[in-house]
Amino acid sequence: EAQVTQNPRYLITVTGKKLTVTCSQNMNHEYMSWYRQDPGLGLRQIYYSMNVEVTDKGDVPEGYKVSRKEKRNFPLILESPSPNQTSLYFCASSLQGRRELFFGEGSRLTVL
Amino acid sequence: GESVGLHLPTLSVQEGDNSIINCAYSNSASDYFIWYKQESGKGPQFIIDIRSNMDKRQGQRVTVLLNKTVKHLSLQIAATQPGDSAVYFCAENRGYSTLTFGKGTMLLVSP
Repeated sequence: EAQVTQNPRYLITVTGKKLTVTCSQNMNHEYMSWYRQDPGLGLRQIYYSMNVEVTDKGDVPEGYKVSRKEKRNFPLILESPSPNQTSLYFCASSLQGRRELFFGEGSRLTVL
Repeated sequence: GESVGLHLPTLSVQEGDNSIINCAYSNSASDYFIWYKQESGKGPQFIIDIRSNMDKRQGQRVTVLLNKTVKHLSLQIAATQPGDSAVYFCAENRGYSTLTFGKGTMLLVSP
């Protein structure tokens, strides 16, 4: 089944404790992206990647890092999480030249 | 999830009615628009898209209308069903696969 898989789906952590949210897609998509979703603010792009070893900042990159060492994986790293990073996170992917994004199921992160 | 629905405009309809969800976009240079549906606890799912050189596009039970003069997009759902209850987002393209999403509208369908 074609899908974007995120882990963990739910996480409660404390300020300053590094964490990684993994994202993997099995559709051989070149493009991958991370969004965060907050009430009243909609979906905002954090980082995106056009292909392996190519990443770029979105609208709200502060406090986040990403890497794209392999085509299928695009992990989101929070080096020192803070409470304002409490949010619902979505990973998405698409084929090169296509703008239809396929989204994962989301990862709900709470930073205390 | 359910918290996504807070602060959103809400459209309540009866099963079988037609629904119209509206969206105003900001960038007159946007050349591509998409509607997404997000059910509770799930990620957004593609519904239908339209290019800026079109005024209307139809899918199965859905129609998207684009009015570039007033930068307005609408999604019409025919014969709305309880399974259509979700948050609906419009998104405009501002570069390759980089979409700017609207805040969303919650659609509630009662039987």
